[in-house]
Amino acid sequence: EVQLVESGGGLVKPGGSLRLSCAASGFTFSPAWLTWVRQAPGKGLEWVARIKTGGPADYAAPVKGRFIISRDDSKNTVSLQMNSLKKEDEGVYYCVLGIPRHWDDAFDIWGQGTMVTVSS
Amino acid sequence: QSALTQPASVSGSPGQSITISCIGTSRDIGAYNYVSWYQQHPGKAPKLMIYEVTTRPSGVSNRFSGSKSGNTASLTISGLQPEDEAYYYCCSYTNILTAKTLAVFGGGTKVTV
Repeated sequence: EVQLVESGGGLVKPGGSLRLSCAASGFTFSPAWLTWVRQAPGKGLEWVARIKTGGPADYAAPVKGRFIISRDDSKNTVSLQMNSLKKEDEGVYYCVLGIPRHWDDAFDIWGQGTMVTVSS
Repeated sequence: QSALTQPASVSGSPGQSITISCIGTSRDIGAYNYVSWYQQHPGKAPKLMIYEVTTRPSGVSNRFSGSKSGNTASLTISGLQPEDEAYYYCCSYTNILTAKTLAVFGGGTKVTV
């Protein structure tokens, strides 16, 4: 069974940092492109970042320069290092796997999500 | 403000058909045939229902269908069932160099059965 399991969410003060992790299983990890999508409380979905095979990454404008997505193919994990956190970064963060050859436009497998709360 | 515009709510009776619209621009929906739709029940992760405008993933009921005309995409649910009550989000691939994001979502539509 294809599975994505996020961890690392929690309460952090504005300006603080948090590192989210996503453990993947049930598929061949190394060729897959992984994406993070977030959802603010009571709001819609927002694309955050994506990492390709080998490491090239792209970021949404609101997080560029503050967030870093990385992957460890030896451990089948993808991480999201979040720095200089703002209130507007608060929400559930989902690790997402697209359909092969549709990595960026068909988000097929979603983790259960991990909640990030930014509050003093 | 979401990049794609969806109605806040749509309702229908069991057995009826409903259509959810998703209005974008010539830089997203109008530029690519990479529109997808997601169903989300409260407290759950989203589920892919349609991708590449019209393609249903394996396991998704054929009561769900997608279409696109110009800058507007649509999701039709036929034979509405109680379990279809959920939020639905459209999404379009876009050019990250100009849009500053690789995928844009709609604000979501609450479907009430």
